[in-house]
Amino acid sequence: DQQVKQNSPSLSVQEGRISILNCDYTNSMFDYFLWYKKYPAEGPTFLISISSIKDKNEDGRFTVFLNKSAKHLSLHIVPSQPGDSAVYFCAASGGDSWGKLQFGAGTQVVVTP
Amino acid sequence: ETGVTQTPRHLVMGMTNKKSLKCEQHLGHNAMYWYKQSAKKPLELMFVYNFKEQTENNSVPSRFSPECPNSSHLFLHLHTLQPEDSALYLCASSPSTGKYEQYFGPGTRLTVT
Repeated sequence: DQQVKQNSPSLSVQEGRISILNCDYTNSMFDYFLWYKKYPAEGPTFLISISSIKDKNEDGRFTVFLNKSAKHLSLHIVPSQPGDSAVYFCAASGGDSWGKLQFGAGTQVVVTP
Repeated sequence: ETGVTQTPRHLVMGMTNKKSLKCEQHLGHNAMYWYKQSAKKPLELMFVYNFKEQTENNSVPSRFSPECPNSSHLFLHLHTLQPEDSALYLCASSPSTGKYEQYFGPGTRLTVT
């Protein structure tokens, strides 16, 4: 049973605009959430994380928002750049998944000029 | 070498072959992980090692046999695999298990014929 879901397999956004990636989870015990970025032929690269005691974390162009009541998190990329074209995975851990990351299936982002 | 390295990057093997995947991390971490990524599916955790001790076997078939001789090296021994085992195998490491981001290697693309 998939506990972390990314329902949008792809997203196309114009350079300079905002990219919003969404992720939903079902396990209310998850308390640590991460976003990874993956280019072809490379492993996932850590982008940003958030603990459940916060509802927002920002790092440069990347901001992650957490809505615990809705079991939803999102990643905002502002402004989007061509180098941001990649697959983005959200991941979560906590509860009986403590120390283990549960990943979503990923969202392919394409940033167009 | 820096980060997490994996060899070989590509492997083609027959169902009766025996082969091994190697992972090495140069980050001073104590936890190491094997993941499997099949096409269009989320990353699936296979094994977790913390301080050289296996702490997680995610119901992986015995034709996959992990080995962790020290905190810097992780192997995945393969024998009598099936075509459905063809996938990208990713190794990751983290300071320990728990609320830490994991750092991934580039992966081994395995094809079983």
